[in-house]
Amino acid sequence: NAGVTQTPKFQVLKTGQSMTLQCAQDMNHNSMYWYRQDPGMGLRLIYYSASEGTTDKGEVPNGYNVSRLNKREFSLRLESAAPSQTSVYFCASSAGLAIGNEQFFGPGTRLTVL
Amino acid sequence: SQKIEQNSEALNIQEGKTATLTCNYTNYSPAYLQWYRQDPGRGPVFLLLIRENEKEKRKERLKVTFDTTLKQSLFHITASQPADSATYLCALDDNFNKFYFGSGTKLNVKP
Repeated sequence: NAGVTQTPKFQVLKTGQSMTLQCAQDMNHNSMYWYRQDPGMGLRLIYYSASEGTTDKGEVPNGYNVSRLNKREFSLRLESAAPSQTSVYFCASSAGLAIGNEQFFGPGTRLTVL
Repeated sequence: SQKIEQNSEALNIQEGKTATLTCNYTNYSPAYLQWYRQDPGRGPVFLLLIRENEKEKRKERLKVTFDTTLKQSLFHITASQPADSATYLCALDDNFNKFYFGSGTKLNVKP
């Protein structure tokens, strides 16, 4: 069981470039999430997917798009990267959105936008 | 707006002592609160969950309290060990499927 995997681990982009962060889970979880973590800011929810075929905005969705490709995979796309998007991005999954479900996190992607 | 506050200053304690971390929140009425541990360069790992109708929850050397009147949760690690050194995050939901995390408190346990 790999749990939650993310690719790539590190990425450097120039302003205006685009990229897609990939996330996959092998726990048969229904719900998946994308967070960003900045120093002193904690984890902030970007988008989430309650179940396959649905996506919803979180606290900081501007500048991002997501795709729930199937039950296993949830990708995050930056169409035109900006320096303000320099951050560590974490993908997570949980059994569902029902109250109390613990979230399982991936190892993170460290993104720098120059 | 919703806000979660954790002490941004690192907590330094001696091995064997009890560590107590605080999580305060405003503008929420969460149904539950979670605590996570995060090691440098890694994703958070779930530790404990406590529901609004529970005053206290224990798991091995960990204890969490939840005071909905004070809007505060306390996280205790008894008989602390250097291996407990990490950043600890609290998290809660807004009852609309959105989760909010505190910025975390770094715990340093010295031998």
